[in-house]
Amino acid sequence: QVQLQESGPGLVKPSETLSLTCTVSGVSIRNYYWSWIRQSPGKGLEWIGYISYSGSTSYNPSLKSRVTISVDTSKNQFSLKLISVTAADTAVYYCARGISDCSGGGCYYYYYALDVWGQGTTVTVSS
Amino acid sequence: QSALTQPPSVSGSPGQSVTISCTGTITDVGSYNRVSWYQQPPGTAPKLLIMDVSHRSSGVPDRFSGSKSGNTASLTISGLHADDEGDYYCSSYSVTSMDVIFGGGTKLTVL
Repeated sequence: QVQLQESGPGLVKPSETLSLTCTVSGVSIRNYYWSWIRQSPGKGLEWIGYISYSGSTSYNPSLKSRVTISVDTSKNQFSLKLISVTAADTAVYYCARGISDCSGGGCYYYYYALDVWGQGTTVTVSS
Repeated sequence: QSALTQPPSVSGSPGQSVTISCTGTITDVGSYNRVSWYQQPPGTAPKLLIMDVSHRSSGVPDRFSGSKSGNTASLTISGLHADDEGDYYCSSYSVTSMDVIFGGGTKLTVL
């Protein structure tokens, strides 16, 4: 059974760096696309970005200047760093896995749909 | 990068059907068939219901169906159950930014 678990500080001071880790179990992180998504209080979902099985990344244009997503294959983890945070970055942060299609003899991986999610971790930006 | 447009709320009685719309543009919903739908019960993480406009994710009952016409995708839930209550989000691949955009979410109330 594939499971994702977010971890990291629940409180970050303004202007500092938010750092979260997603630990993946039940599947190798060397396959699939791995994404971060956030949900501000009472608001909708916002895609932050992804890292691929080959290490390539893509970020939401509105966050691109502040975001870095990286992967540690030895620990089966991937991470999110968001610099210069403000109160607007207060949210529940989710990590998630992109879908796969293994119906054609080989497997293809996609990031545009997310089939396994972590439970989410709340991060508050406040002094 | 604008969010996709969903109605803020819909409601229906048990056993009835409801449809939630998701309107985008030619550069996202109207381009590839890469529209997904998620269900988010209160206090929980989103769950993938539909991918590629109309393909149900594993274990999702056939009461949930998806479709698309032009720049608008739709999620129909038939035979409403009380535990269908929650928020529903659409998402789409965006050709221009090559990333993913979400709708603003729709709150489903089962009367």
